[in-house]
Amino acid sequence: KAGVTQTPRYLIKTRGQQVTLSCSPISGHRSVSWYQQTPGQGLQFLFEYFSETQRNKGNFPGRFSGRQFSNSRSEMNVSTLELGDSALYLCASSLLPESYEQYFGPGTRLTVT
Amino acid sequence: GQNIDQPTEMTATEGAIVQINCTYQTSGFNGLFWYQQHAGEAPTFLSYNVLDGLEEKGRFSSFLSRSKGYSYLLLKELQMKDSASYLCAVRGTGKLIFGQGTTLQVKP
Repeated sequence: KAGVTQTPRYLIKTRGQQVTLSCSPISGHRSVSWYQQTPGQGLQFLFEYFSETQRNKGNFPGRFSGRQFSNSRSEMNVSTLELGDSALYLCASSLLPESYEQYFGPGTRLTVT
Repeated sequence: GQNIDQPTEMTATEGAIVQINCTYQTSGFNGLFWYQQHAGEAPTFLSYNVLDGLEEKGRFSSFLSRSKGYSYLLLKELQMKDSASYLCAVRGTGKLIFGQGTTLQVKP
């Protein structure tokens, strides 16, 4: 069974630009969560999607948004990029939101210059 | 507020036993998780506790005391490949909140 895939793996953007990251969950998994990981803040929850609906949202500004498609694939978008948005963005999938086992993708390393 | 505390760094010797502690204060409690993350890689699931007590899985065990807001991860027969960051996470009301992680260095 293929694991969680994230594209692109690496990205360099300039301040003020916007970026879209993609996540394909494990086949059959319907819940997708997004996290931001930085050396200073650790792993922080961004949002969780299930059945194309956002179920939970972390404490991030409105510049961070996401969506989920009918095939459970998810995208997250960051607009008006800031230097502080440089981070590893991780996507995790599970069968259901209540499932205790989440499987993480390899992440997208975003660098904002 | 919501807070998860764990030591920043620990060092142990190959073959030894190490215990990584985690204390938490969260709004609601729906389970405590431990993840292992090697440098440059994604976190991988190690264990899940929702009831008090010890869960054993091979060389790894995890303990939970909900009344004390406390958990620990016990690693036995340490191997060099166990050198990694260990993340404690709590599922509160909906979302998963992670601690900063404990970097474990296993020395020969």
